[in-house]
Amino acid sequence: EAGVAQSPRYKIIEKRQSVAFWCNPISGHATLYWYQQILGQGPKLLIQFQNNGVVDDSQLPKDRFSAERLKGVDSTLKIQPAKLEDSAVYLCASRVGYTNTGELFFGEGSRLTVL
Amino acid sequence: KQEVTQIPAALSVPEGENLVLNCSFTDSAIYNLQWFRQDPGKGLTSLLLIQSSQREQTSGRLNASLDKSSGRSTLYIAASQPGDSATYLCAAIIAGGTSYGKLTFGQGTILTVHP
Repeated sequence: EAGVAQSPRYKIIEKRQSVAFWCNPISGHATLYWYQQILGQGPKLLIQFQNNGVVDDSQLPKDRFSAERLKGVDSTLKIQPAKLEDSAVYLCASRVGYTNTGELFFGEGSRLTVL
Repeated sequence: KQEVTQIPAALSVPEGENLVLNCSFTDSAIYNLQWFRQDPGKGLTSLLLIQSSQREQTSGRLNASLDKSSGRSTLYIAASQPGDSATYLCAAIIAGGTSYGKLTFGQGTILTVHP
């Protein structure tokens, strides 16, 4: 079974530029998450989708971050314009079904460096 | 607001030692608790998932326990090996409210097992 796929693995941009990350969850997984992990810290939830609907985006900086999951499968996370403090690893995760009891599976992450 | 704390922040042990990693959480109304391993530059790999109705889970040399009443989980690693060197993260998923399905992560314990 294929895992959670993310791209690109690495991205270097200058501040005020824009960037987009892509995630393809495990087939059949209804719930998809985007996390931000700053070096030395645990992951912080940015946004959670249930199919193509947003369940929780309370910690998403909506003035610069946006995310979509139009067909309830893959998802994109965009940052525009980027700031220095956005340098982090952006992790995508997925979970089968609609309950809270299933196991969470993560992709390898997309490492962003903002100069 | 759920807070998850991991102690110690870093641990260095000789090969063969048995060790315990600690995770504490403030909100006992959790659905489950999941332990992850993260290698440098990689995503998170799920190790063990403990449902709220369970007290422990075992996989090979790993054993995780959950005590909801005291807000604690421990990860026990038996006969540690250099290959166990990684960052270990625990995450609690809270029950109810508008944040269902959201995992709150600890900051991780960096484990080094030296030969």
